[in-house]
Amino acid sequence: EPEVTQTPSHQVTQMGQEVILRCVPISNHLYFYWYRQILGQKVEFLVSFYNNEISEKSEIFDDQFSVERPDGSNFTLKIRSTKLEDSAMYFCASSESGLGIYEQYFGPGTRLTVT
Amino acid sequence: SQQGEEDPQALSIQEGENATMNCSYKTSINNLQWYRQNSGRGLVHLILIRSNEREKHSGRLRVTLDTSKKSSSLLITASRAADTASYFCATDDLYSGAGSYQLTFGKGTKLSVIP
Repeated sequence: EPEVTQTPSHQVTQMGQEVILRCVPISNHLYFYWYRQILGQKVEFLVSFYNNEISEKSEIFDDQFSVERPDGSNFTLKIRSTKLEDSAMYFCASSESGLGIYEQYFGPGTRLTVT
Repeated sequence: SQQGEEDPQALSIQEGENATMNCSYKTSINNLQWYRQNSGRGLVHLILIRSNEREKHSGRLRVTLDTSKKSSSLLITASRAADTASYFCATDDLYSGAGSYQLTFGKGTKLSVIP
């Protein structure tokens, strides 16, 4: 069964460093998303992406964040200068369509620890 | 913004019993999705119910949706120890931006199934 994959599973970085989290969405899906979950808290929407551009973004997704689809399979989230409060589990998701009738399938997550 | 809020926050049952979790939300939705998360792991999609549906089944799972009360329930029948996990409902926004939608997650119900 097709699934969303993410690498790395765990990333440790120092405050102020740049990190790139990688995702491979399900191959026939057209919409891609990033969410994050701070330990013990709710899963929060960051950004959605379609046709090589951002469709929607939340207040969390400030200028320190960017997304890219560098080739036909990868979808990346970059944090330019990490802060302690960026420590969280980051989930990538994809769906066939952006219409509200399709499931979003999530990857296993990347645990980001900023020290 | 709308929210899915689950109750109870925690539920402990014996193996073989049924588990019922509830979710309430605040505004109009396209659909409501239920996810499972094992401790520290990714989100597994369980079931999607559309706003024009009232009940849906998948294996041992039964989901109901009452749009007049803005609530949903997830019933797991004949529970197993392997069902131990956190369960989240996630709603989308009927009026979100064109071309994509974001999910809003609740805090989840932590289910423990005792063998």
